[in-house]
Amino acid sequence: GQQLNQSPQSMFIQEGEDVSMNCTSSSIFNTWLWYKQEPGEGPVLLIALYKAGELTSNGRLTAQFGITRKDSFLNISASIPSDVGIYFCAGSGSARQLTFGSGTQLTVLP
Amino acid sequence: GAGVSQSPSNKVTEKGKDVELRCDPISGHTALYWYRQSLGQGLEFLIYFQGNSAPDKSGLPSDRFSAERTGGSVSTLTIQRTQQEDSAVYLCASSLGGTTDTQYFGPGTRLTVL
Repeated sequence: GQQLNQSPQSMFIQEGEDVSMNCTSSSIFNTWLWYKQEPGEGPVLLIALYKAGELTSNGRLTAQFGITRKDSFLNISASIPSDVGIYFCAGSGSARQLTFGSGTQLTVLP
Repeated sequence: GAGVSQSPSNKVTEKGKDVELRCDPISGHTALYWYRQSLGQGLEFLIYFQGNSAPDKSGLPSDRFSAERTGGSVSTLTIQRTQQEDSAVYLCASSLGGTTDTQYFGPGTRLTVL
């Protein structure tokens, strides 16, 4: 089945630093999504990408849908303590269900 | 409520027992999804409903897993004869029903099989 490779697995950064994480796939997705999950909660959608090459921002977050439709990255600028959580990429192809990456655990140090 | 709700939030059961997990989707959402999240892993798709029918059951790991949805609203995921490897967080999501519509997730049910 389809799989997403997400990296890095974890990150420890200082408050104020920028963060970058990415996902790659062996197959094409029509939609790329980035979710954030906090302890005891379900994932919350941060950014959705629908077109190859699309670059979308949501506040301090920026994400891009790769030209080949097989990759995406998420950047967080000027990190703050509330950015802590697990970030997941997810892809949607011809089927409705989402295929998720394994997540990036982000820790922001004061 | 405004969001997807799931119950119970935590369930501890003994190996071999049956469990039922419930999902209340957002009102008006016709599509409903079940995912499973094992410790430190991403979400794994289980089953998808459009209305009361399940066009895609491809993710159910074994015949011990089943799900139903009634009235186009509440869904129940049933695991029979639970095994320790069933321990995970079971997440439900709902969407308006279009192919690109955002899936909104509930808080999940943490299942522990002893």
